[in-house]
Amino acid sequence: DQQVKQNSPSLSVQEGRISILNCDYTNSMFDYFLWYKKYPAEGPTFLISISSIKDKNEDGRFTVFLNKSAKHLSLHIVPSQPGDSAVYFCAAWNFGNEKLTFGTGTRLTIIP
Amino acid sequence: EPEVTQTPSHQVTQMGQEVILRCVPISNHLYFYWYRQILGQKVEFLVSFYNNEISEKSEIFDDQFSVERPDGSNFTLKIRSTKLEDSAMYFCASSYQGNEQFFGPGTRLTVL
Repeated sequence: DQQVKQNSPSLSVQEGRISILNCDYTNSMFDYFLWYKKYPAEGPTFLISISSIKDKNEDGRFTVFLNKSAKHLSLHIVPSQPGDSAVYFCAAWNFGNEKLTFGTGTRLTIIP
Repeated sequence: EPEVTQTPSHQVTQMGQEVILRCVPISNHLYFYWYRQILGQKVEFLVSFYNNEISEKSEIFDDQFSVERPDGSNFTLKIRSTKLEDSAMYFCASSYQGNEQFFGPGTRLTVL
């Protein structure tokens, strides 16, 4: 079951620059997309979400873009900070199906 | 800020033993979930619980697993007879509407 994919297992970005994390999905029935941040030995922390009827949602340094025709979403972090170093998971959800379907994660490293 | 809590943080058990993992969801949330993450793999859905009953479960959630909400605050996952392959991080999550799910810090289960 590879309905949600994150093709980059890791990404390194200089502090202060933009981090762009990507996610692709195959199920066009998904209604809602979320990004979570995870530190080792901790639970996923909710960051930002977007409904499938929108193409952009912004919250402070975090912006999520959704391209439904390409079945692609991305998370932009700007400016990147050392505390942003973590594993980032995208997840998808649809009405009538309770579960979140997670991608495999991208490890983001911010270089000071 | 309200958060999901889980106990214990680490549980070590012998194969064949029963374990109970405990969670206290966010107090006004209506939907409750268990997920797990085997080391190096993606976060996987186990079960969702709404209105005092299981609303959805995955193939992983077989007869060895059960969930309970014994009072107004706790939400438990029981594994009746643990197997080596049950070793994983188990995350509890809760949600008000079902889409934005907030996760606890996890319980690391080690089956020897």
